[in-house]
Amino acid sequence: GNSVTQMEGPVTLSEEAFLTINCTYTATGYPSLFWYVQYPGEGLQLLLKATKADDKGSNKGFEATYRKETTSFHLEKGSVQVSDSAVYFCALSGDAGGTSYGKLTFGQGTILTVHP
Amino acid sequence: DTEVTQTPKHLVMGMTNKKSLKCEQHMGHRAMYWYKQKAKKPPELMFVYSYEKLSINESVPSRFSPECPNSSLLNLHLHALQPEDSALYLCASSQLGGLFGNTIYFGEGSWLTVV
Repeated sequence: GNSVTQMEGPVTLSEEAFLTINCTYTATGYPSLFWYVQYPGEGLQLLLKATKADDKGSNKGFEATYRKETTSFHLEKGSVQVSDSAVYFCALSGDAGGTSYGKLTFGQGTILTVHP
Repeated sequence: DTEVTQTPKHLVMGMTNKKSLKCEQHMGHRAMYWYKQKAKKPPELMFVYSYEKLSINESVPSRFSPECPNSSLLNLHLHALQPEDSALYLCASSQLGGLFGNTIYFGEGSWLTVV
């Protein structure tokens, strides 16, 4: 079955530091890949996505590239802010040809804390 | 506009109560979902509705009863819950079909406390 392995946290950074959160996956076919962010006390927000190999998703200064050869979708940001403090979830959704289509498989989540 | 609206935001209920969580989307999505999330954990899928029909039930106890009155609305009826059912309940929706990578959009969630 599908699985997502996400870098364990928590991750603590100073403002303006570089951020990488690693995410690797196991899936058959051609899944879509997502990063969701959950701010304290809130629901999940879609941060970015990529639907095919070599696609780069980007939003709010965050980027992730769909690497099929390494089955990875690492999240990066060049300069984090205090307001980026949240839990980040990597997730995949199976392709249209599979039984897991439309179902999200999540990683365990990474807690990010950014200090001033 | 990608918006899934959930009510209520907070709910406290006794173990003998009957209550409902409500979810609405106006994005024309034909798949709707209920997820349960415990603190600091990833969401767990409970139910999936596709074209207003229940397509996936992830072996959820019968004290949780979903309902999809139409393509925009999704309810979760709650009865005889246990304290361990206290969690954040997330509604989500997505298109069906591969054009948009079946992106799933979540609501803000309903915080449920069972006392």
